[in-house]
Amino acid sequence: KAGVTQTPRYLIKTRGQQVTLSCSPISGHRSVSWYQQTPGQGLQFLFEYFSETQRNKGNFPGRFSGRQFSNSRSEMNVSTLELGDSALYLCASSLLDDSYEQYFGPGTRLTVT
Amino acid sequence: AQKITQTQPGMFVQEKEAVTLDCTYDTSDPSYGLFWYKQPSSGEMIFLIYQGSYDQQNATEGRYSLNFQKARKSANLVISASQLGDSAMYFCAMREGPSGGSNYKLTFGKGTLLTVNP
Repeated sequence: KAGVTQTPRYLIKTRGQQVTLSCSPISGHRSVSWYQQTPGQGLQFLFEYFSETQRNKGNFPGRFSGRQFSNSRSEMNVSTLELGDSALYLCASSLLDDSYEQYFGPGTRLTVT
Repeated sequence: AQKITQTQPGMFVQEKEAVTLDCTYDTSDPSYGLFWYKQPSSGEMIFLIYQGSYDQQNATEGRYSLNFQKARKSANLVISASQLGDSAMYFCAMREGPSGGSNYKLTFGKGTLLTVNP
């Protein structure tokens, strides 16, 4: 069974641009969560989607948004990039509501210059 | 106040010895779950072990065991017989609310960098 895949793996953008990251969950998983990891703030929850609906949202500005498609694939978008958005963005998927385990993808490393 | 505290930024252990990584948590929710993840230098988070707040026994998964002391709000990870491949960052995380609910938000600690020496 294929794991969680994230594309692209690496990305370099300049301030003010926008970026879209993609996450394909494990087949059959309907919940997708996104996390931001930085050396200063550590791992922080961005948002979680289940059946195309955002169920939980972390404490991030509105520049960070996401969506989930009917096939459970998810995208997150960051508009008007700032230097502080440079981070490893991790996506995790879970099977059903009664599953406690989140399977993480390899992440997308975003560098903003 | 931090919800997950890992007080050891770095730990060293000799190969084949056991090591304990500390984690304390803070929540007022009676239902919660505690997780440990391993993150090698490649960046991918690898699930190691889970403990539910109502679980009576400490969780074990192969060489990993979780020393769950509910009254002290601690959930320490014990790795037995350390291997060179265990060198990585280790994160303790918590989900507040019952499993089976709609809350999949994990709150992570800052992590502990474990180095296994040959």
